Amino acid sequence: DIVMTQSPATLSVSPGERASLSCRASKSVGSNLAWYQQKPGQAPRLLIYGASTRATGIPARFSGSGSGTEFTLTISSLQSEDFAVYYCQQYNNWPYTFGQGTKLEI
Amino acid sequence: EVQLVQSGAEVKEPGESLKISCKGSGYSFSNYWIAWVRQMPGKGLEWMGIIYPGDSDTRYSPSFQGQVTISADKSISTAYLRWSSLRASDTAVYYCARQGNDGSSWYNPWGQGTQVTVSS
Repeated sequence: DIVMTQSPATLSVSPGERASLSCRASKSVGSNLAWYQQKPGQAPRLLIYGASTRATGIPARFSGSGSGTEFTLTISSLQSEDFAVYYCQQYNNWPYTFGQGTKLEI
Repeated sequence: EVQLVQSGAEVKEPGESLKISCKGSGYSFSNYWIAWVRQMPGKGLEWMGIIYPGDSDTRYSPSFQGQVTISADKSISTAYLRWSSLRASDTAVYYCARQGNDGSSWYNPWGQGTQVTVSS
């Protein structure tokens, strides 16, 4: 299985600041990477697919980059509603795998 | 609107069987893979398996092979996740999610989740 490793586990930032979340794959997944946001008590929500394509309705402050084994989710100016857990997911090889998550907190 | 609606919370005893459901609407249910994802209390997301309702082609993650059964009834646009004998360690929230509309295996939307609690 491809192991997805996210860092850091927890990121403490302030509203208005920029946040960069990292995701590393144990082998190349090309651009077959998605990012999801999950708030407490809610289902995950798709943010990014194809490593850099924003899903419908996702604000422009969310951007994704990278390919192969190294990926980054950047939130340019944090809003209060962005504090949540973020997961990356590779869909290049079955079984698809998630990272363990990065918790974004104030 | 594309939507997945899951069945309600369940409380079961160890050894009991259970089948939860995920009903799709707003799209051609037969033509998109549906995935099941587990989230244990306070933990991350884990892929369990996927099914193509059009022909019921099913794939399981090795971690869940033999532990659960995934099925679908395309006539009523519903996918299922079944356990024949529950364990306390099956306590979790289970999500269904639909394959992306470009045919790739990112998932959107997701169902609201079904809480399964197994306790004696």
